[in-house]
Amino acid sequence: GAVVSQHPSRVICKSGTSVKIECRSLDFQATTMFWYRQFPKKSLMLMATSNEGSKATYEQGVEKDKFLINHASLTLSTLTVTSAHPEDSSFYICSATGLTEAFFGQGTRLTVV
Amino acid sequence: SQQGEEDPQALSIQEGENATMNCSYKTSINNLQWYRQNSGRGLVHLILIRSNEREKHSGRLRVTLDTSKKSSSLLITASRAADTASYFCATDQSQAGTALIFGKGTTLSVSS
Repeated sequence: GAVVSQHPSRVICKSGTSVKIECRSLDFQATTMFWYRQFPKKSLMLMATSNEGSKATYEQGVEKDKFLINHASLTLSTLTVTSAHPEDSSFYICSATGLTEAFFGQGTRLTVV
Repeated sequence: SQQGEEDPQALSIQEGENATMNCSYKTSINNLQWYRQNSGRGLVHLILIRSNEREKHSGRLRVTLDTSKKSSSLLITASRAADTASYFCATDQSQAGTALIFGKGTTLSVSS
């Protein structure tokens, strides 16, 4: 069964609104989680590293004020896309690393209209 | 950031044929993993090969790793239509707790 649960799987929102995506590790505690973004027919691009109890580390070119990450507990990280615009439409995937391997959430398809 | 570069970008074959995808990377790694992604869906972990391993098998999958050339290959034997998907390599770099870095992927189409 899934060890990393991501919710929602699909969301449509209006331009200017904010959307929160949750990523939960179900069977283990994850001090670090990762957020990826995937454009159609492209690969996964690492956006940021979410650290429990401290600020997230963002990859170059990723706006931290645009993509707010909160990792308030050892089992939950959230990504909030603020003031969403159509260009933010994408597939977002989180992952958490267990003892030996990375586990991925099911992904969230965000469509901004 | 992306580390892995797959080739070919797209591959079309007939059922029963073998499919080979290659991946190259740039930095030292702990391990390299291959994932499959069906269109618009999440990732499915296929196989992990550690930096001290040279070859690994799992069912119809065969993965090789050449750390001297910083490259890996994924072979799918006796392909099926259900193998149609995108395949990505992902590297786990030497530092603990770092994210997997994905290659650009190969889109495989298997026709019956």
